Formats: sequence, structure tokens, C-alpha cells
Amino acid sequence: NAGVTQTPKFQVLKTGQSMTLQCAQDMNHNSMYWYRQDPGMGLRLIYYSASEGTTDKGEVPNGYNVSRLNKREFSLRLESAAPSQTSVYFCASRGDQTGGAYIQYFGAGTRLSVL
Amino acid sequence: DQQVKQNSPSLSVQEGRISILNCDYTNSMFDYFLWYKKYPAEGPTFLISISSIKDKNEDGRFTVFLNKSAKHLSLHIVPSQPGDSAVYFCAATFHGSSNTGKLIFGQGTTLQVKP
Repeated sequence: NAGVTQTPKFQVLKTGQSMTLQCAQDMNHNSMYWYRQDPGMGLRLIYYSASEGTTDKGEVPNGYNVSRLNKREFSLRLESAAPSQTSVYFCASRGDQTGGAYIQYFGAGTRLSVL
Repeated sequence: DQQVKQNSPSLSVQEGRISILNCDYTNSMFDYFLWYKKYPAEGPTFLISISSIKDKNEDGRFTVFLNKSAKHLSLHIVPSQPGDSAVYFCAATFHGSSNTGKLIFGQGTTLQVKP
């Protein structure tokens, strides 16, 4: 029972490089989310997708793009990485609102360093 | 503007004693609250939740209390065990078609339970 799978687990980039963080869930959930976690800041929402084919900005979207490839997969892209994007990135998914309303299930995270 | 605040960055308690983690919120629209637990190098995992129509919810050693008039909730862990040592995040959300399940997280409190 994999749940939410994120790849890669670790990544080091140089300033200006690009990369895509991958996320896949096997729970048939409609909604998916990308967060970043920084010390003392909690988890902040970058982008989310309420359903396949739709994406919307969260609290801190600048410097990122997303793609909801299908119901299972939601990727986060950094086009030109900056040191301020050094963080731990978490992907999450959520089922419908009945039974366990609003519970999001998280992946193990991607630890990204931008030098 | 931090809508969900956990003002204690850390808490240390003795094994067997009660741990009380606190969370304050400012947005009166919030009507559903969740606690997540996070171990190092892992993603957050759902612990317990409460709807605003209740003032208490219990699950084994974990109890969440909600004081709507004070916009305050707390998580009680009794008795505390060393395995409870982790970072605890409070999160809030509200029902409504415009929300799409987004969670607003607090900064987190690191709990250390000493044997």
C-alpha cells in the first residue's frame, strides 16, 4: 500500500538549473497538493489541483509550475532554481469530503538544496 | 499574516506525564481542525481532527479540545511515551465550494518525551 510516492528523495541543484519533482498517489484521490516546509514556517501551500485537469495557485506559487498529468500524478517544476527555493517539498492527496473530510495524506518529501 | 499559530516551538515532558500542545487561529471561518505528527525524514501523518460543532474529540491517548470563543485548540497526550517525540502541526480549514480542501498549517511544535 504505497499511498503517496515522491521522487527524488534528495536533490542538489545549482542556481539557474531546472528540475521536476514527481508525485504519484494510488488512492484514487481527486485532490492533490504541493507544500514546502521551511524552519519556523510550517507547511505552506505552493499549488493544488482539485481534480484532474485543474490547477490553482496556493500561498507561495512564485518560481514554480505544476502539471496534473492524470488523476494519479501531480508534478512540480522549478524552471530556474534559486537558493530561496532550498526547502523540503511535500506532496499530498485528499479524497472526497465524506468520511475523513479534509484529511490529506502526505508523501515522504523531497529535500532540495539550491547552491 | 499567520492565520494558525503554534506559539511554542518546543515542549519537553517526562514519560508517563501529560503533553499539552496549543494552537491559536484568527480566521472565524475555520470550522474543521486537524493535528498532524511528523517524524524526521518522513511526511506528516494525520493524528486526530475535530469539527467546530464539537468541543472535544478523543482517540486513545490523544484528545483534542476546541474553544471557539477563544479561537484556541489543544492536543493532550496522556500518558506521553518516548515514541511520541516528533513535530506536531496544527491545521485548519473550512467547508465551502471555494476552499477545495486547502489546509492552513501552524509552524509546528517539537515534542520531546524523556524516558
